[in-house]
Amino acid sequence: EIVMTQSPATLSVSPGERATLSCRASQSVSTYLAWYQQKPGQAPRLLIYGASTRATGIPARFSGSGSGTEFTLTISSLQSEDFAVYYCQQYNNWPPLTFGGGTKVEIK
Amino acid sequence: QVQLQDSGPGLVKPSETLSLTCTVSGGSISSYYWSWIRQPPGKGLEWIGYIYYSGSTNYNPSLKSRVTISADMSKNQLALKLSSVTAADTAVYYCARGGMTIFGVVIMPGAFDIWGQGTMVTVSS
Repeated sequence: EIVMTQSPATLSVSPGERATLSCRASQSVSTYLAWYQQKPGQAPRLLIYGASTRATGIPARFSGSGSGTEFTLTISSLQSEDFAVYYCQQYNNWPPLTFGGGTKVEIK
Repeated sequence: QVQLQDSGPGLVKPSETLSLTCTVSGGSISSYYWSWIRQPPGKGLEWIGYIYYSGSTNYNPSLKSRVTISADMSKNQLALKLSSVTAADTAVYYCARGGMTIFGVVIMPGAFDIWGQGTMVTVSS
């Protein structure tokens, strides 16, 4: 099983600032990596797939990078609606498809 | 656009079988991989398993002995059964569409681009 580890667990950021979230895989997943945003009481929403491709309708302030075992999600200028929990997920090797434990982005 | 509506009992007794349904509207379940994913209260996401439109399935090894995922093409519905439930199975259960496409053809499981709203299931006597 590929274990996905996200850091930090909580990130405190002021609106307008840049946020950088990390995701590490226990073995290479190439670029088969997705990022999701989840707000309280809602289902996750796909932000990024293929490590760096934005999903339909996702603003350009969200960007993904990395390959192999190290990945980054960057939110260039945090808006109020961006405060949420973010998950990474690998789909290179299954079963199982696996998610990271999440990073909560909170208002500083 | 494609929408998923998951439904089922919100309360299940320990040792019984949890049964949920996911209805797909605005599109067909032909093509794509259709997964069930769960999230215990205050915790992260756990993939339960998927069914491909051809009928092939794949399950999380940690749940494999207790899980069955099926599809009814005529009704455009997916179903999840999880047997011998305990309090540890208390969670929000989501159905989700996934698949990585090349030139419009789904070739493998991929990111989950469409999710149901989720159904909270509590296991308690």
